Amino acid sequence: SQQGEEDPQALSIQEGENATMNCSYKTSINNLQWYRQNSGRGLVHLILIRSNEREKHSGRLRVTLDTSKKSSSLLITASRAADTASYFCATDPNRDDKIIFGKGTRLHILP
Amino acid sequence: EPEVTQTPSHQVTQMGQEVILRCVPISNHLYFYWYRQILGQKVEFLVSFYNNEISEKSEIFDDQFSVERPDGSNFTLKIRSTKLEDSAMYFCASRWRDPPYNEQFFGPGTRLTVL
Repeated sequence: SQQGEEDPQALSIQEGENATMNCSYKTSINNLQWYRQNSGRGLVHLILIRSNEREKHSGRLRVTLDTSKKSSSLLITASRAADTASYFCATDPNRDDKIIFGKGTRLHILP
Repeated sequence: EPEVTQTPSHQVTQMGQEVILRCVPISNHLYFYWYRQILGQKVEFLVSFYNNEISEKSEIFDDQFSVERPDGSNFTLKIRSTKLEDSAMYFCASRWRDPPYNEQFFGPGTRLTVL
């Protein structure tokens, strides 16, 4: 599998529900980031979690990182229509300068 | 809040033409990057640039591509002879200092359409 793979590929939930997206990666990392992208638009940085952190919050976002399992999750609570977008995890591997994106989860919030 | 800017937002060109995509990274950042995203696909790394030279490049970044920091503020990506498959969104990013623990900040992207 690729470095940084999101799961599921697509997710549809009702407005107000919580949305959980997962990311798995292969190599050791310095940090892991989550980005949002509305269709055809730019990348919006949501949150960065460092390799020595286990959980981080930002507003309605909660990110966890389990370096032993090489996985991360992004939880969006009380989803809104405006949360409809693609969400990407991006890893910052050790000894590498580039960041590596996954294929993303397409989140669709149903009214 | 400082941000990475890119111009133009959309560039349309004919196959075989040269294009230059421009980026203004955040002013005190030292590391610069180009990524691209073909429609419907994931974001792919192209090249990183530090201390006025390329530090890493991907297989995509062949002889048709070049980068330059012509002055203290701009960072450009040049495609010498565009192909249809170069059509994509191109993102510039910058980072303040040495990894780890600091994120790359992305610009809004330039959508390149090659006809």
